[in-house]
Amino acid sequence: DIQMTQSPSSLSASVGDRVTITCRASQDISNSLAWYQQRPGEAPRLLLYAASRLESGVPSRFSGSGSGTDYTLTITILQPEDFATYYCQQYYSTPPLFTFGPGTKVDIK
Amino acid sequence: EVQLVESGGGLVEPGGSLRLSCAASGFTFSRYPMSWVRQGPGKGLEWVSVISGRGGNTYYADSVKGRFTISRDNSKNSLFLEMNSLRAEDTAVYYCAKDLLMNADYVDGVLDYWGQGTLVTVSS
Repeated sequence: DIQMTQSPSSLSASVGDRVTITCRASQDISNSLAWYQQRPGEAPRLLLYAASRLESGVPSRFSGSGSGTDYTLTITILQPEDFATYYCQQYYSTPPLFTFGPGTKVDIK
Repeated sequence: EVQLVESGGGLVEPGGSLRLSCAASGFTFSRYPMSWVRQGPGKGLEWVSVISGRGGNTYYADSVKGRFTISRDNSKNSLFLEMNSLRAEDTAVYYCAKDLLMNADYVDGVLDYWGQGTLVTVSS
């Protein structure tokens, strides 16, 4: 099975900061990676898929990059509504076993 | 507008059974794979199961294989999760979620719409 790790597990940042979250897969997942945002008490929200494709309606301050086993989510100019937990998810496995990373909590400094 | 509404959660004793439902609207339900994802109290997301659009292909996480069964009724735009032999570690909010891409017989795994979840508590 493909295992996913994220770093850091949490971070503190200020409005206006640039934030970078890293996700690593235990094997090459060929860009089959999605990022989700979850605010407290809410359902997850899809931000990006195929490592770098922005989901419709998601602000352009969110971007994704990476390849192989290592991927990055970047939030430029952090906004108050961006304080949340972010999860990466691989969907490369065959047969399908869609593994999530453990999450990165972004809170206010 | 896409809407997913889960129901059927509740308190059940260890070893018991429960059936979750998810009512879908706002899209052509039969064309999209659907998943169940759960989140234990204070924990991260755990994918549970997925079913293809026509229902012919189903897949499960190792943690629930043999105990949970996913199914769908495309005539009623509904998704189900039959949960048997429940354990304390199955306690979680269970979300249903829609695949981004249309696919009658295969699954993709990118989840673009989620319901608000239904809480399952397994405790004596």
